[in-house]
Amino acid sequence: DTGVSQNPRHKITKRGQNVTFRCDPISEHNRLYWYRQTLGQGPEFLTYFQNEAQLEKSRLLSDRFSAERPKGSFSTLEIQRTEQGDSAMYLCASSLHLQGLGTEAFFGQGTRLTVV
Amino acid sequence: AQKVTQAQTEISVVEKEDVTLDCVYETRDTTYYLFWYKQPPSGKLVFLIRRNSFDEQNEISGRYSWNFQKSTSSFNFTITASQVVDSAVYFCALRGGMDSSYKLIFGSGTRLLVRP
Repeated sequence: DTGVSQNPRHKITKRGQNVTFRCDPISEHNRLYWYRQTLGQGPEFLTYFQNEAQLEKSRLLSDRFSAERPKGSFSTLEIQRTEQGDSAMYLCASSLHLQGLGTEAFFGQGTRLTVV
Repeated sequence: AQKVTQAQTEISVVEKEDVTLDCVYETRDTTYYLFWYKQPPSGKLVFLIRRNSFDEQNEISGRYSWNFQKSTSSFNFTITASQVVDSAVYFCALRGGMDSSYKLIFGSGTRLLVRP
């Protein structure tokens, strides 16, 4: 499968622990997005990268959240000192943007985080 | 502010019935894009359609059709002769034409259950 890949699929952690998720985008895609989806809601934008540069962060992304895309390929999303309110599905998407035009976003299957 | 409203939380139909999923959007942008995504139980969002604000032609793709009406700010989705495999959560989304990030604003989704 050459689509967007996210690992792990599921993560259960105790409150206060740190967690890290990984996203591998479609290989030729230069943009990578992180969204969060809580139960019964649509995905909400968190942040995005163009190559290795993080260009926008939502106000939803508190100081406990950090995302990186060091080589412009895969990305990691880390949550420090997890809280129960962080329980959600974390979705990654990628797209290709050239000369001001972009393809549709292709989504991964998400990482479901449960904080107990 | 940009907003997408999907007032129907859940719809249940019997196989072969037609079903329409409603989507109402708000934006001040003169150029914008509207989308529908399908989220099956696997969790992976699947792109169905994109429509730009200058194209009000209705579109049909197999059993799927979309009705875009700028006058009522609606972008409704109809499935004809529904099948059990259509059971999923469907999201309508908006992207502002002035937003270089290409981030999506999602509605809260409509869960469709097609019963045999």
